Amino acid sequence: SQTIHQWPATLVQPVGSPLSLECTVEGTSNPNLYWYRQAAGRGLQLLFYSVGIGQISSEVPQNLSASRPQDRQFILSSKKLLLSDSGFYLCAWSSPSRGGGETQYFGPGTRLLVL
Amino acid sequence: KQEVTQIPAALSVPEGENLVLNCSFTDSAIYNLQWFRQDPGKGLTSLLLIQSSQREQTSGRLNASLDKSSGRSTLYIAASQPGDSATYLCAVTSNSGYALNFGKGTSLLVTP
Repeated sequence: SQTIHQWPATLVQPVGSPLSLECTVEGTSNPNLYWYRQAAGRGLQLLFYSVGIGQISSEVPQNLSASRPQDRQFILSSKKLLLSDSGFYLCAWSSPSRGGGETQYFGPGTRLLVL
Repeated sequence: KQEVTQIPAALSVPEGENLVLNCSFTDSAIYNLQWFRQDPGKGLTSLLLIQSSQREQTSGRLNASLDKSSGRSTLYIAASQPGDSATYLCAVTSNSGYALNFGKGTSLLVTP
């Protein structure tokens, strides 16, 4: 069966510090991978998605970047965090498809607080 | 731009009641619609996925319907239980992209 892991579970970082959140998926090959953010009072928003190693698409302009160095590894990064980067970050995967439309399965999330 | 709205924002019902959660979306050109459950501080659990060509999907006590032309979906929960207490999220995938567009959710509390 497939499982998705995220770490860390919780993170408190000062403004201006770097960020690296990691997501890994087990039990599937060539998944589509996604990073979402859930900010207080807002719905979930897609930040990045990837259909393969080294292939990253950004949905919204922002202070963050994503990378996919391996088939089942997805990393969310920032060089300098802003207060507005605080939120709950969720990684998700889906079976490879024509372009979305498959059920997405979510990880446990990372709660980031920038002070 | 696709806008997804969920009503009500919060709902409290006694155990055993049947209930309906509503979701509406502005652009009917969707590929599918998903309902998720989110427990406090946790990730999302997929409950049901309805393809755009389908009218409804059922899983246990849950039934989700889709009326694409009117931009509406409902999630029906039969015989609610305290364990059903959670936030329920509706999300649609547009024909043109990968993104799930989420509503802000309905926070459900089922009291014993």
